[in-house]
Order: sequence, then structure tokens, then C-alpha cells
Amino acid sequence: GENVEQHPSTLSVQEGDSAVIKCTYSDSASNYFPWYKQELGKRPQLIIDIRSNVGEKKDQRIAVTLNKTAKHFSLHITETQPEDSAVYFCAASGGTPLVFGKGTRLSVIA
Amino acid sequence: GAGVSQSPSNKVTEKGKDVELRCDPISGHTALYWYRQSLGQGLEFLIYFQGNSAPDKSGLPSDRFSAERTGGSVSTLTIQRTQQEDSAVYLCASSPWEDTQYFGPGTRLTVL
Repeated sequence: GENVEQHPSTLSVQEGDSAVIKCTYSDSASNYFPWYKQELGKRPQLIIDIRSNVGEKKDQRIAVTLNKTAKHFSLHITETQPEDSAVYFCAASGGTPLVFGKGTRLSVIA
Repeated sequence: GAGVSQSPSNKVTEKGKDVELRCDPISGHTALYWYRQSLGQGLEFLIYFQGNSAPDKSGLPSDRFSAERTGGSVSTLTIQRTQQEDSAVYLCASSPWEDTQYFGPGTRLTVL
């Protein structure tokens, strides 16, 4: 079955800097890759997703890139703000339930 | 529209008691998932329902855990003879098929 690895497990950046979180997956049939943000005490919420027919998708300060050949995808957050501090989860699926990475705890230092 | 709802939001129980956690998915969503999240940890998959198919129970940690989904909508997760290690937040999610999942607010279970 699918296996998703996520790195780093923790990440600290200065406010205004960029943050990058990387995930790799094992199943070449996977074609859907969402990212979730979970603030402390809150539910995970979808922030951006990408499907395998595109290589990059942007939404304001957030972007996701996908390399199907290498089987990895990344989340990029530019101009980080304190409210970006949260745990971020990547996931992958290909017609089966999502498989989640273990999460990255991002801290944005003001 | 209404999102995924879960009840109760908090549950405190004594070791050995049974508990039932409820999930109301988004109307029309055919897939429903249960996860467990211990403090500061990731999402541990428990069980998955899709339409009228047999549920995928591969993530249930022991036979004390069971779940039902009645009428293809509401789901109940039951934990029998609760243990202290069952303390966690139990999250439910639903999706229109098998991709984007929308999470409920979770039930925080504390076993004393």
C-alpha cells in the first residue's frame, strides 16, 4: 500500500522568511495530494491540493509542487506570518483513502 | 453548508467503561473515516466506510473498538472496556468519494 514520508518533523523560521515542507510517496498510482493545516486544538483543514495532471499550484502565499517521476511533492509558504504557526500534514491517494504523513510542526518566530 | 459534526466534544470516563462517539458527516458524502490523534501526534487511521461496501477496519487497534454507519450517514465509534491508553482526540472525516476529506471538530476522550 501507499506510504508517505514527511520532512522535517519540526521547522522554525523567522517571520517573513519562506518555509518548505517535503513529502515522498511510494505508490506511483497516487494522483491526488492535499495539504492540511492543524492549529492547536483545532481540526485539520485543507489549505491546498494538487492532482497529478499539474506540476505546481499557487494560492496567494502558498504553493505546492509535484514531481511524479521522483514521487515527491512540497509545500511552500512565502512571507511567513505568526498565524502560519501550526502542524501541517501532507497526504496522498490514488482511488483509495488518503494516507497521511506524520506532520510538520511549523513555528514562525516574530 | 453544514460541516462534519461530532458529539460529544469532550468525554471523561472511568477505566473499564464503554463509550460511544458520534459523527454526522456532510450530507451526500459517501465516504466516512475515523482517526485517532494522541497529544502532539499524527493522524492514526482507524476505520473507513464507503457507500454500501464492507468497511475497512484495518486500523482498529483491538477488538474493543468497533464502528457502525447507519443508513449511509451517521456513524458511531464504540470503545468497550476503555483503557487509559485510549485517551486521545477522535476525529471523524467525510468525503464525496475518496479524495478530499473534511474533518469534524473531534471528540476529546479522557479515560481516568
